[in-house]
Amino acid sequence: DAGITQSPRYKITETGRQVTLMCHQTWSHSYMFWYRQDLGHGLRLIYYSAAADITDKGEVPDGYVVSRSKTENFPLTLESATRSQTSVYFCASSEGQGGMNTEAFFGQGTRLTVV
Amino acid sequence: AQSVTQLGSHVSVSEGALVLLRCNYSSSVPPYLFWYVQYPNQGLQLLLKYTSAATLVKGINGFEAEFKKSETSFHLTKPSAHMSDAAEYFCAVSARGTGFQKLVFGTGTRLLVSP
Repeated sequence: DAGITQSPRYKITETGRQVTLMCHQTWSHSYMFWYRQDLGHGLRLIYYSAAADITDKGEVPDGYVVSRSKTENFPLTLESATRSQTSVYFCASSEGQGGMNTEAFFGQGTRLTVV
Repeated sequence: AQSVTQLGSHVSVSEGALVLLRCNYSSSVPPYLFWYVQYPNQGLQLLLKYTSAATLVKGINGFEAEFKKSETSFHLTKPSAHMSDAAEYFCAVSARGTGFQKLVFGTGTRLLVSP
């Protein structure tokens, strides 16, 4: 199916475990983004990528690692999960950087609970 | 730096009533402004965006927003609410010429529609 898909949709993990959230897009968009959504904060950017093998930090990168070996995939890894990382995570992609005629498309989100 | 303030974490309206969701922005440079909608258990979907053309922007599902520079506002309206409009709405801002990695989201307003 065309679009942007995240997996898993729901995940419960224990404190200290490593967990990876997957994001896959079929449009060959250059840009991909990871956000977390928390009550009272809206969406905050964790990491983004402008192309394969090019990534950069966003507003809240601590505790997260990303990679982008292929254009269509942008996994997000929590190296040692903490309770403060309990959140809903959204992946997004866009064709361009964000000018007048570009749009960012969002996945359905992954609800992560760290116990 | 850019920021947005959404007044009211919850707004309740009756079906058929006017919908008004408020967004005020702060930007040191001319902004791009966006409204996104998030239906339950789904990702964000772009409703409309302002990129310096007409100040009254029409979006999907009958929504529109007006850019008022003097008031630094970008309020979202719809003349007649439908039950299907119940969702969370996010205002976002970025500086012109920057990318989605610079997109700053508000904390969201949940719209409740009663019969």
